[in-house]
Amino acid sequence: QITLKESGPTLVKPTQTLTLTCTFSGFSLSTSGVGVGWIRQPPGKALEWLALIYWDDDKRYSPSLKSRLTITKDTSKNQVVLTMTNMDPVDTATYYCAHQGRITGTTDYWGQGTLVTVSS
Amino acid sequence: DIQMTQSPSSLSASVGDRVTITCRASQGISNYLAWYQQKPGKVPKLLIYAASTLQSGVPSRFSGSGSGTDFTLTISSLQPEDVATYYCQKYNSAPPRLTFGGGTKVEIK
Repeated sequence: QITLKESGPTLVKPTQTLTLTCTFSGFSLSTSGVGVGWIRQPPGKALEWLALIYWDDDKRYSPSLKSRLTITKDTSKNQVVLTMTNMDPVDTATYYCAHQGRITGTTDYWGQGTLVTVSS
Repeated sequence: DIQMTQSPSSLSASVGDRVTITCRASQGISNYLAWYQQKPGKVPKLLIYAASTLQSGVPSRFSGSGSGTDFTLTISSLQPEDVATYYCQKYNSAPPRLTFGGGTKVEIK
């Protein structure tokens, strides 16, 4: 079965760079049509899509955050890494990684999420 | 950029009621529309994709319809376990690649 798990710091200081790792199993990121993305949710607020990387290394970013985000993959390790620069308290949120399915065409499996707090 | 607008932002209905949530895209997205259910403190769950295709294991009381810019999610008979926030998401290739609506919180009256 498909599983994903996020890992990274739970607390970062303003202006620091956040690095999150998504480790997955049950699928290969070298399979045509498959992707892994990142989505965040500030406490009590709506979901916000951040970035997506496909099997062919095509990368897509949220226009409002594009200058701060970088997404990469390591197919051999079954990992996807998201970096977000210049963190601010408004970036406090639960960060989810998620599988982008070949059949559904969209986000169909989610990790459990990791809460990242930005505070000095 | 395409924006997704959901309405209402919240609703309260009785058990057994028919509930309808709407989602409007600022530009046509064909049928590249998904619906998610997020129960309090839980991870979002895919309910419907391609506007009307029920994801495996989702109860048949959930249904979706629409194409182009206007979409609806219907719960034919609201159950206590349906208390959640529901999000629409567009996923066609036009940027931004994925966009969520603001959510609709469903409560039991």
